[in-house]
Amino acid sequence: DIVMTQSPDSLAVSLGERATINCKSSQTVLYSPNNKNYLAWYQQKPGQPPKLLIYWASTRQSGVPGRFSGSGSGTDFTLTISSLQAEDVAVYYCQQYYSTLPLTFGGGTKVEIK
Amino acid sequence: QVQLQESGPGLVKASETLSLTCTVSGGSISSYYWSWIRQPPGKGLEWIGYIYYSGTTNYNPSLKSRVTISVDTSKTQFSLKLSSVTAADTAVYYCAGNIVVAGSYYFDYWGPGTLVTVSS
Repeated sequence: DIVMTQSPDSLAVSLGERATINCKSSQTVLYSPNNKNYLAWYQQKPGQPPKLLIYWASTRQSGVPGRFSGSGSGTDFTLTISSLQAEDVAVYYCQQYYSTLPLTFGGGTKVEIK
Repeated sequence: QVQLQESGPGLVKASETLSLTCTVSGGSISSYYWSWIRQPPGKGLEWIGYIYYSGTTNYNPSLKSRVTISVDTSKTQFSLKLSSVTAADTAVYYCAGNIVVAGSYYFDYWGPGTLVTVSS
């Protein structure tokens, strides 16, 4: 299995400040033939299913605010919320889809308001 | 816009089989891969497996011996059966869907989830 490790487990950020979440995979999720990183990010609010934010490590899903951005390659990835809004309080998960045996998620990072 | 809705018993006895159905609306069941994903209370996400409309399946090796996912295209539904359940199988179960292009197994669409509790 490709193990996805997120850090930190939780963070508290002031409104309008930057939030940075890290995700590390136990092996590369960069597929060299197409130079794509098989990495997605989700946002999950209490009582709701996860919502897709980012795929291919850096492509924003339609309708996702521009303050969310994804970066990284190979084994190290980052989700950045450039200016935290109250509605961004949630748990964020990364997911690798490089290997489907099995598809795996990170443990989650809880973002709160300081 | 594709919409998904899980249905099934919210309480299952230990050692019995958990059975859930996901009804798909607003899109063609033949255009997507359909997955089951679960989340124990207060914990993270675990992918259980997927099915394509043709019947092709792929299961998480950790659950493979107990899982069966099937599809009924005439009813635009797909289903999950998980046998020999224990308390560790207590979770919110989500159905999810995605179009696969160049191996894009990320999940665009999710159902609201249904909590299944395994009782002893």
